[in-house]
Amino acid sequence: QSALTQPASVSGSPGQSITISCTGTSSDVGGYDYVSWYQQYPGKVPKLIIYDVSNRPSGVSNRFSGSKSGNTASLTISGLQAEDEADYYCSSYAGSSTPFGGGTKLTVL
Amino acid sequence: QVQLQESGPGLVKPSQTLSLTCTVSGGSISSGSYSWSWIRQPAGKGLEWIGRIYTSGSTNYNPSLKSRVSISIDTSKNQFSLKLTSVTAADTAVYYCAGKYSARFDYWGQGTLVTVSS
Repeated sequence: QSALTQPASVSGSPGQSITISCTGTSSDVGGYDYVSWYQQYPGKVPKLIIYDVSNRPSGVSNRFSGSKSGNTASLTISGLQAEDEADYYCSSYAGSSTPFGGGTKLTVL
Repeated sequence: QVQLQESGPGLVKPSQTLSLTCTVSGGSISSGSYSWSWIRQPAGKGLEWIGRIYTSGSTNYNPSLKSRVSISIDTSKNQFSLKLTSVTAADTAVYYCAGKYSARFDYWGQGTLVTVSS
């Protein structure tokens, strides 16, 4: 069982917006503004797309945005594109550890 | 641009010790801003953080693996290493090394598949 809880799958049609949640506790997600999100294509290395809850690294599309409320962080992808179909993982600072969520498979219909 | 590369045996026998090394290039492993982590991913499953080491040698480990894990660093070689003892088939996974700045994993190795089998 993962330390952070994500839905196993989400889906959306091109052009739509989707949101992936990441639920933790006050010891991780809720306690720090240090949630990051990673995109992973099959057989590929995970790529950082959001850090510190809502910041995008250089080169990441502004269609990706992050937020947090209480013990739940969220990743929103707007204007969904076929290339967004991938697995998404959240991670949070938790003091002496850095747990990941179980991952969410995004399907673009 | 910092690059990481894992190396080590791709096949380990049950009950033996898994040993991997990560070589950092394009930058110094001694940069005080980064810590260095190991992460693994069984086939078809999610990411699992194994542990991290700071340049000082201070370490933190995943509580679920703590009794079997050891991470070390060799700044003279710009390398850090992972040892996982008493492995079973459940330890079969792609193992990634990663550079962590603050609370985010900025740099990742390409990953190396380690299979535990007799």
